[in-house]
Amino acid sequence: DGGITQSPKYLFRKEGQNVTLSCEQNLNHDAMYWYRQDPGQGLRLIYYSQIVNDFQKGDIAEGYSVSREKKESFPLTVTSAQKNPTAFYLCASSQWTVSNQPQHFGDGTRLSIL
Amino acid sequence: KQEVTQIPAALSVPEGENLVLNCSFTDSAIYNLQWFRQDPGKGLTSLLLIQSSQREQTSGRLNASLDKSSGRSTLYIAASQPGDSATYLCAVRPEGGSEKLVFGKGTKLTVNP
Repeated sequence: DGGITQSPKYLFRKEGQNVTLSCEQNLNHDAMYWYRQDPGQGLRLIYYSQIVNDFQKGDIAEGYSVSREKKESFPLTVTSAQKNPTAFYLCASSQWTVSNQPQHFGDGTRLSIL
Repeated sequence: KQEVTQIPAALSVPEGENLVLNCSFTDSAIYNLQWFRQDPGKGLTSLLLIQSSQREQTSGRLNASLDKSSGRSTLYIAASQPGDSATYLCAVRPEGGSEKLVFGKGTKLTVNP
């Protein structure tokens, strides 16, 4: 089945450590996105990518980094500069057109601090 | 700056009731509006997408309407079932060339047997 796979489901970070969240899609979508979800708040966009080897900052990019070396993959690194990383992280993808295609989401990664 | 508001934040109804969830947005310059469902600890499932030129979309027991000029959308759920219990999120895609979505905080729905 086509879809978006995020791994791991749960992740723990130690002080000063960088961690990388994986996102893979087999929907042949051009665009991919990373969102952060905190309790009581809506989803906030961290980074997005419209095409391989290109990506743009979202609303809360500080302390995060991404790469887009393959169409299928869009990993997110939470760096030690992100002082409040505990959250639920969601990856999404869509066709990059203006013809109103819905975004499809993975099942998320929950990141906690040790 | 586009802002999306969903009221109420939580709703509890008995099984079988018809119900309406509300979503409002501050800037009418949007490409589309999307309704999602989120189960606890899970990702988002797309329910309905309404293009800016459309007034409504239907899927099974769900009907979503859009009044772009007034900045409002409603999600109507007919004959609610316990399996409909989840958080429902509304998101708009602003005009401007980006695929970025702006989300509301959601309405947590509980349907009691």
